[in-house]
Amino acid sequence: EVQLVESGGGSVQPGGSLRLSCSASGFTFSDYSMHWVRQAPGKGLEFVSGISNKNGDSTFYAASVQGRFIISRDNSKNTVYLQMSSLTTADTAVYYCVKDDRCPACYFDHWGRGTLVTVSS
Amino acid sequence: DIQMTQSPSSLSASVGDRVSITCRASQSISSYLNWYQQKPGQAPKPLIYGTSSLHSGVPSRFSGSGSGTDFTLTISTLQPEDFATYFCQQTYKMPWTLGQGTKVEIK
Repeated sequence: EVQLVESGGGSVQPGGSLRLSCSASGFTFSDYSMHWVRQAPGKGLEFVSGISNKNGDSTFYAASVQGRFIISRDNSKNTVYLQMSSLTTADTAVYYCVKDDRCPACYFDHWGRGTLVTVSS
Repeated sequence: DIQMTQSPSSLSASVGDRVSITCRASQSISSYLNWYQQKPGQAPKPLIYGTSSLHSGVPSRFSGSGSGTDFTLTISTLQPEDFATYFCQQTYKMPWTLGQGTKVEIK
């Protein structure tokens, strides 16, 4: 059974940093690209970042986080990370870790339960 | 970035109704269009990928159609468990953008 478990969320002041982790199991982690999607309270879903499979040579970011967030992966630990810096109140959201499948068409076939990040003074 | 626009933003329907939700892309995305369902307090769940392929375990009352810029999610006979918010997503070009969501409510 595929499982994605996020951790690292919490409260942080504007301008601060936070690192999210997503521990994966139930599939060959290195074979799949991994992504982060967020949802602000009462709002829709926003793609945040993605990293390619294997050695993660390719990374992608939404314009809203480009230059502030860094995605990475450690295949030996079956874990994907999202390093977030220069946080603003607009980054307050539940952050979901997602796995993709059926590429090149691709879709998010498994989602974690999410971890809440609150940016507030 | 490719903009995804869903319509309507919300709708009210009764159990047994046929419901359709539209998703329009700001440029052609071929057939790289997916649909997700989200219920309050839960993570989204995949419904349809590649415009019309059902994710494993999704009931056959859900179907998808379209190509290019215009796509439709149809629920043939609405069931009580289908009241939720639905999102479309394009995976044609990074960043993989999503629509704003369509909330299906009980009439």
